[in-house]
Amino acid sequence: DTEVTQTPKHLVMGMTNKKSLKCEQHMGHRAMYWYKQKAKKPPELMFVYSYEKLSINESVPSRFSPECPNSSLLNLHLHALQPEDSALYLCASSLLLAGTSYEQYFGPGTRLTVT
Amino acid sequence: GENVEQHPSTLSVQEGDSAVIKCTYSDSASNYFPWYKQELGKGPQLIIDIRSNVGEKKDQRIAVTLNKTAKHFSLHITETQPEDSAVYFCASSGGIQGAQKLVFGQGTRLTINP
Repeated sequence: DTEVTQTPKHLVMGMTNKKSLKCEQHMGHRAMYWYKQKAKKPPELMFVYSYEKLSINESVPSRFSPECPNSSLLNLHLHALQPEDSALYLCASSLLLAGTSYEQYFGPGTRLTVT
Repeated sequence: GENVEQHPSTLSVQEGDSAVIKCTYSDSASNYFPWYKQELGKGPQLIIDIRSNVGEKKDQRIAVTLNKTAKHFSLHITETQPEDSAVYFCASSGGIQGAQKLVFGQGTRLTINP
């Protein structure tokens, strides 16, 4: 099973709201990722968690706050977003061994609209 | 840092014909090259990948070739079917950017005409 699940599928939020995106996988992967994808563009990496610790932050604004409560779950907390943050937010996971690239499996994404 | 260029940006082929999408990368230390298919409203789906110690890999109608010297890799789809219509992304990792950072090409919108 190579399934990554994400909830919710769609989210509309105002600029003063606080919301969270959730991601889950049960493949035993110890690397989990958040990507942002704008229309007609490739995914852009935001954060990487390795063994539940933040290992890569691609200079993402602090209004995006990631959290990895355990090896199966990944959250992205959203606060005071801007309309330009509207996008498809993708979660991915992969095996993790030092220095070796492994297949990243993506979830279906959360379509976020900021009004 | 690594840069991946992908061509063409759009490709239209007749059902049953072959489709080829090409990518070039800049970091000679990159060693892992996946291809993703993304259908409308869905997340990217890994369809095939290749590592730098292999020159070609095939899975049914899909094949990927890698030329390390030229820093070039390609996706070949034979006997195309309408369900092959999607956006395809190439990517690389393992070089300067590390094993976990995928650098994506800009994507190719493939349309299969019945």
